[in-house]
Amino acid sequence: QVQLQESGPGLVKPSETLSLTCTVSGGSISSYYWSWIRQPPGKGLEWIGYIFYRGTTNYNPSLKSRVTISVDTSKNQFSLTLSSVTAADTAVYYCARVLVAPTGGWFDPWGQGTLVTVSS
Amino acid sequence: SSELTQDPAVSVALGQTVRITCQGDSLRSYYANWYQQKPGQAPVLVIYGKNDRPSGIPDRFSGSSSGNTASLTITGAQAEDEADYYCNSRDSSGNHYVFGTGTKVTVL
Repeated sequence: QVQLQESGPGLVKPSETLSLTCTVSGGSISSYYWSWIRQPPGKGLEWIGYIFYRGTTNYNPSLKSRVTISVDTSKNQFSLTLSSVTAADTAVYYCARVLVAPTGGWFDPWGQGTLVTVSS
Repeated sequence: SSELTQDPAVSVALGQTVRITCQGDSLRSYYANWYQQKPGQAPVLVIYGKNDRPSGIPDRFSGSSSGNTASLTITGAQAEDEADYYCNSRDSSGNHYVFGTGTKVTVL
């Protein structure tokens, strides 16, 4: 079955750019939407945005000015960049497949998550 | 702040039934989906759509909805059901996704 794995630096300095990659295995990245979600330590989940395999994106309005999600179908990967980070961006970052439906949409499966700490 | 509101915590006796609710205006138009998250683990989808369970999810988990409130019911709660539960749906504009504030379920 489809599996997702996040990768990237675990430590980012304030004001710099956070970059993460999600590698999809066990299936093709094509024909689906793919999302990033984060969870600050001890807090709830926050949707960051999604990308369709053809490149269409949709971002959380609260993060839109700092977020870019891109896709590389040749590598079966999609990526997240978040600019001008602060300590408030410290979180576990998850990637997940989105099953978009007219009645809503859900996230399944999820990667195991990767902790990114913003600190000097 | 989240557009989907959940009670912070609920408890249930082993083998009894517990209902977790998720409130939000968007739920009048869209279904809520439910995720279980155990400490140190990624969330796992347990209910999606009207009331569907992914393969491998026990049938003691069920979903329902009325008006602006969606519910996840665990019938005959087991010790392994102790976890945080999150709902998700579209936001009030229908253009973005949101998660609920989360409910910690304790099995006594």
